[in-house]
Amino acid sequence: DSGVTQTPKHLITATGQRVTLRCSPRSGDLSVYWYQQSLDQGLQFLIQYYNGEERAKGNILERFSAQQFPDLHSELNLSSLELGDSALYFCASSVGTRIGELFFGEGSRLTVL
Amino acid sequence: QQQVKQSPQSLIVQKGGISIINCAYENTAFDYFPWYQQFPGKGPALLIAIRPDVSEKKEGRFTISFNKSAKQFSLHIMDSQPGDSATYFCAASVGSQGNLIFGKGTKLSVKP
Repeated sequence: DSGVTQTPKHLITATGQRVTLRCSPRSGDLSVYWYQQSLDQGLQFLIQYYNGEERAKGNILERFSAQQFPDLHSELNLSSLELGDSALYFCASSVGTRIGELFFGEGSRLTVL
Repeated sequence: QQQVKQSPQSLIVQKGGISIINCAYENTAFDYFPWYQQFPGKGPALLIAIRPDVSEKKEGRFTISFNKSAKQFSLHIMDSQPGDSATYFCAASVGSQGNLIFGKGTKLSVKP
């Protein structure tokens, strides 16, 4: 158990809809990262937050947004969903901003029908 | 520039054999090279990592070999066991940034 909690584990929705994925980092970790894992693209970095502030941005679509709250949990919002957004979405956390070990949650599997 | 290329896509090894997975990168600014292991239904977990000031790092049966001039690094799993069957990802990052660039993964199957 990595200590990172993600909910929901599975989500099935329709095209055009909006969903919110939630992540609680390990106790004491200030950085939260979101990754998308798909069969063709592998693990793609989406965005990083550190102590409530956006720190780095990767291949995140404009339809996607994230935030980190004062209690350090994070939410990834996916809107106007398309079939191609079906993937596993992982949250990871680390102590600081400099790279070191990332602790990944078990992921949220999103299926868009 | 930001890619990390990993090979092979899949690998079948007999129990007790050596598993070798290779990665190559282009961005010379990368200064942290971890390997992650992922079991089905789980998130990736750090296995071993290396920085470019050393050419090899060993932890138990797992060894990273790093060739800075060739911009390549590899994972060697000695005495491979069925419990090592998983997907392995190499990754790289620039130290001051928090995001890892992952290879596309290698699915390892160790046959008993």
